[in-house]
Amino acid sequence: QSALTQPRSVSGSPGQSVTISCTGTSSDVGGYNYVSWYQQHPGKAPKVMIYDVSKRPSGVPDRFSGSKSGNTASLTISGLQAEDEADYYCFSYAGPYAWVFGGGTKLTVL
Amino acid sequence: EEQLVESGGGLVQPGGSLRLSCAASGITFSSYWMHWVRQAPGKGLVWVSRINSDSTSTIYADSVKGRFTISRDNANNMVYLQMNSLRVEDTAVYYCATGLGNYYDYWGQGTLVAVSS
Repeated sequence: QSALTQPRSVSGSPGQSVTISCTGTSSDVGGYNYVSWYQQHPGKAPKVMIYDVSKRPSGVPDRFSGSKSGNTASLTISGLQAEDEADYYCFSYAGPYAWVFGGGTKLTVL
Repeated sequence: EEQLVESGGGLVQPGGSLRLSCAASGITFSSYWMHWVRQAPGKGLVWVSRINSDSTSTIYADSVKGRFTISRDNANNMVYLQMNSLRVEDTAVYYCATGLGNYYDYWGQGTLVAVSS
């Protein structure tokens, strides 16, 4: 049950796009289309932004998109806004006996 | 409105026990698998445990296996986490979370567990 690998930090200017990667194995990210992404502001509970690799819950701006290739999933945020500054976590189903989070990525909007 | 509310956190000595509770409202509780997720201070999210809708299946992260027990009461829309043999490294905010797929639509506000002598 090793954590999925994410970059510790990414940054971008308002209006730009950033991509956060999430690398696992064929037993988790690569084996199932059950990757989700969560946004967490300081002191708050996480909020789902993407589920099942690329689906967006109602109310989440279409600036947020997800994809997957092999054992790596990605979250792309386009048209960066100040309120996007937060921590982002990927999460994957890893078979019938486990789920696993990524280590988290701090997004800074410059 | 869908809501999860955790309670039961607090300060406990190493080796001690604590029971966390999570009250659900606004959802058809008996249809949802329930999970516990924790977050140590300044650290990332870590999945802890899951119970299925009728309590016939429970699973745990290796770090808590044999020490923590998840259970639920569908009649009262409650899920619990019994934590025994607590260690300093169990110090974290504990969230209950759920959703109808392999992701979490709903999260509680979290309850802080501090293990210290």
